[in-house]
Amino acid sequence: DAKTTQPPSMDCAEGRAANLPCNHSTISGNEYVYWYRQIHSQGPQYIIHGLKNNETNEMASLIITEDRKSSTLILPHATLRDTAVYYCIVRVADSWGKLQFGAGTQVVVTP
Amino acid sequence: DAGVTQSPTHLIKTRGQQVTLRCSPKSGHDTVSWYQQALGQGPQFIFQYYEEEERQRGNFPDRFSGHQFPNYSSELNVNALLLGDSALYLCASSPEVGGLAYEQYFGPGTRLTVT
Repeated sequence: DAKTTQPPSMDCAEGRAANLPCNHSTISGNEYVYWYRQIHSQGPQYIIHGLKNNETNEMASLIITEDRKSSTLILPHATLRDTAVYYCIVRVADSWGKLQFGAGTQVVVTP
Repeated sequence: DAGVTQSPTHLIKTRGQQVTLRCSPKSGHDTVSWYQQALGQGPQFIFQYYEEEERQRGNFPDRFSGHQFPNYSSELNVNALLLGDSALYLCASSPEVGGLAYEQYFGPGTRLTVT
């Protein structure tokens, strides 16, 4: 599976949009981009995933560049409860679910 | 609908001992994966069970073993505990449909401390 690069940390003001970048320049054509987050002392939580088209659900939006070498997770209106470590992961859909976590981005939402 | 549950929540063991951690998957899920998360790091894949067999394994020694039961619940066993085994152990379950494993749902984890 390809590796990802994320900034180690970022701050966001409550109520503002949080834009989390992820670089995956070696992604293969059959690899999806997944985002998980981990709130302190809890297990990781699935957020969203996509292949090439932009995706949106009740939690976030995922924007994947046309060349698929990078993506951005958007939390439209950040709340204090969004403070967490966010992980960007790429994996083949039929790889039986193994997730390779990196260090992630520590997002701190401030009042 | 209960999510993924793990027991115990916390555990303290002495170096050289053996430990068993337990996981019950989310209802309708038949695949269980185990991860180890050291302090300040991302989770690392240990292994995955499907149809009571270990299907995929990460870079962990044979001291780490597991089992999956007919009801899809799973156990993680660690023998000859080392201080470095102190970590949060996470269980994740997912449904397998048509040969594809979909997004994984994680439990709250078991915090193991080895002294």
